[in-house]
Amino acid sequence: KAGVTQTPRYLIKTRGQQVTLSCSPISGHRSVSWYQQTPGQGLQFLFEYFSETQRNKGNFPGRFSGRQFSNSRSEMNVSTLELGDSALYLCASSLATVGNEQFFGPGTRLTVL
Amino acid sequence: LAKTTQPISMDSYEGQEVNITCSHNNIATNDYITWYQQFPSQGPRFIIQGYKTKVTNEVASLFIPADRKSSTLSLPRVSLSDTAVYYCLVQRENAGNMLTFGGGTRLMVKP
Repeated sequence: KAGVTQTPRYLIKTRGQQVTLSCSPISGHRSVSWYQQTPGQGLQFLFEYFSETQRNKGNFPGRFSGRQFSNSRSEMNVSTLELGDSALYLCASSLATVGNEQFFGPGTRLTVL
Repeated sequence: LAKTTQPISMDSYEGQEVNITCSHNNIATNDYITWYQQFPSQGPRFIIQGYKTKVTNEVASLFIPADRKSSTLSLPRVSLSDTAVYYCLVQRENAGNMLTFGGGTRLMVKP
């Protein structure tokens, strides 16, 4: 069974631009979560989607948004990029029920110049 | 959610058993404990999960005392490839799939 895939793997943007990251969950997984990892703040939860609905949201500004499609694929968008948005963005998928093992993708490394 | 506290780093040698203890004093009745492993530039990987007493799988054991205020991840006979960051998390039963990561424990296995 294929794992979680994320595209692109690497991205370089400049301040003020916007970016869209994509995540394809493991087949059959309906929950997709997004995390941001930086050296200073560690791993932080962004949001979780389940059946196209946002189920949980972390403490991030409104510039960070996401959505989930009917095939469970998910995208996250960051608008008006800031230098501090440079990070590894990780997507994780899991089965529907709470507390199931989450499977992480390899991440997208975003660099904002 | 209960805050977790674990050592920032640990060193070990190949072949040794490693025990990483995590403190979660404010754990609630419907919380359970999960451990993840992360290698550099990769996403975390689930290791083990438990609610009480002892859980064992093919890679690790998890010991949880009766008061559940701490837990210990035990890695038997570590190898160099076990060098990674290990995260202890407390998950709430009705909190969706949101994971709250702490700082983790950086385990260095030496030859």
